[in-house]
Amino acid sequence: GENVEQHPSTLSVQEGDSAVIKCTYSDSASNYFPWYKQELGKRPQLIIDIRSNVGEKKDQRIAVTLNKTAKHFSLHITETQPEDSAVYFCAASPGKLIFGQGTTLQVKP
Amino acid sequence: SAVISQKPSRDICQRGTSLTIQCQVDSQVTMMFWYRQQPGQSLTLIATANQGSEATYESGFVIDKFPISRPNLTFSTLTVSNMSPEDSSIYLCSVEKDSFYEQYFGPGTRLTVT
Repeated sequence: GENVEQHPSTLSVQEGDSAVIKCTYSDSASNYFPWYKQELGKRPQLIIDIRSNVGEKKDQRIAVTLNKTAKHFSLHITETQPEDSAVYFCAASPGKLIFGQGTTLQVKP
Repeated sequence: SAVISQKPSRDICQRGTSLTIQCQVDSQVTMMFWYRQQPGQSLTLIATANQGSEATYESGFVIDKFPISRPNLTFSTLTVSNMSPEDSSIYLCSVEKDSFYEQYFGPGTRLTVT
């Protein structure tokens, strides 16, 4: 079955810097790759997603890139702000969502 | 997206008892799912709740332990049966409304088993 590896497990950046979180997947049948942000005690929130027919997608300060050949995808957050601090989960879907282990992002003011 | 509610929001239960968690959506959805999130961990899919038929369980999860109902397109329940402390976790429902694979999560039910 599908396996999703996510790195790093923790990431600390200074406010205004960029943050990059990377995920790899194993099942070439996966064709949908969402990213979720989960603040402490809250539900996971879908922040951006990409489908296998697209290489890059951007939404304001957030972008996601997908390399199907290498089976990896990344989340890029530019101009980070303290409110970006949260746990971020990637997922891959070969028909159901398989989640990565999560990355705790800390943005220091 | 959709407005999703879960009941109860949290509960403390005794070992050996059962708890039923409800998930209600404000509009009809095609797919409903149940996940478990253990403290500090990622999300693990328990099962897909199928309307009008038996749920589809993932490896490691069985119907006797986690019976699921989905009587219509806006409501589902998950029961955690014969609970042990290892069942202490957050249980989340999610829905896929009308976009291909796009899922939205309910607020979760925090379960503590003593």
